[in-house]
Amino acid sequence: IAGITQAPTSQILAAGRRMTLRCTQDMRHNAMYWYRQDLGLGLRLIHYSNTAGTTGKGEVPDGYSVSRANTDDFPLTLASAVPSQTSVYFCASSEVAGVADTQYFGPGTRLTVL
Amino acid sequence: GQNIDQPTEMTATEGAIVQINCTYQTSGFNGLFWYQQHAGEAPTFLSYNVLDGLEEKGRFSSFLSRSKGYSYLLLKELQMKDSASYLCAVRDGNYQLIWGAGTKLIIKP
Repeated sequence: IAGITQAPTSQILAAGRRMTLRCTQDMRHNAMYWYRQDLGLGLRLIHYSNTAGTTGKGEVPDGYSVSRANTDDFPLTLASAVPSQTSVYFCASSEVAGVADTQYFGPGTRLTVL
Repeated sequence: GQNIDQPTEMTATEGAIVQINCTYQTSGFNGLFWYQQHAGEAPTFLSYNVLDGLEEKGRFSSFLSRSKGYSYLLLKELQMKDSASYLCAVRDGNYQLIWGAGTKLIIKP
C-alpha cells in the first residue's frame, strides 16, 4: 500500500539517550517534513527536505537533526533527549515543495521522554 | 508575527450543519488548507483554497476571503464519524505552512 510509514509507533525514552525516528515513503515525493504536535498547539515544523540531499530548519529545530540520503527515507534524530521533547511526531511528504501541494502524513510516533 | 485562530472546540448534532471558522494573519498568502484529524491518527487532507469563494466537495465546503483573512469549513448532514479535529493551515509568502491549533468537533446523536 502506497504511503508513509513511521517507526516506532511509540517509545518511552530516558532523558539523555539518543533516539532516531524513522520515516519512509514510497510515493516518490520530492519533499519531506517532520512535525511535532503538542496539545493546544498547531503542528510545528522541525526540519524539512525539498529534495534528496538537501535539508532545512523549520520553526523548532533545536535538539533535532535530519538527513536525506535518498528520496524515500527521512530519519529524525534526537541527539540527547530532554523531557520537553515529549510529543507526537509526524512525518509528511509532498510531491514538490513551495507550491500548492498537499502534504500527506504518516501515522505518527508518540514519544515520551522521562 | 504569524497567527492562525480557530475555536478550540465545537459541538453539533448528528444530521445538522456546522461551520468552523479560521482567521489568519500571515506574511503573504499562497493558499489555505483544511485537514481532518481523528483522535490518535494522522491529519488527512480535506480542501484547498487559493482564490476567494466557495469550494464544494460532497458534504464538505470551504470558503475563503483573502481581504478579510478568513476561511470557514462547512460540514453538512453531520455523521458521527465526523467527530474529529479540523486543522486550518495557511501557506505564507515563503511557502511555509503555518498551522492553527485545530478545532475539536464533537457530534452528539
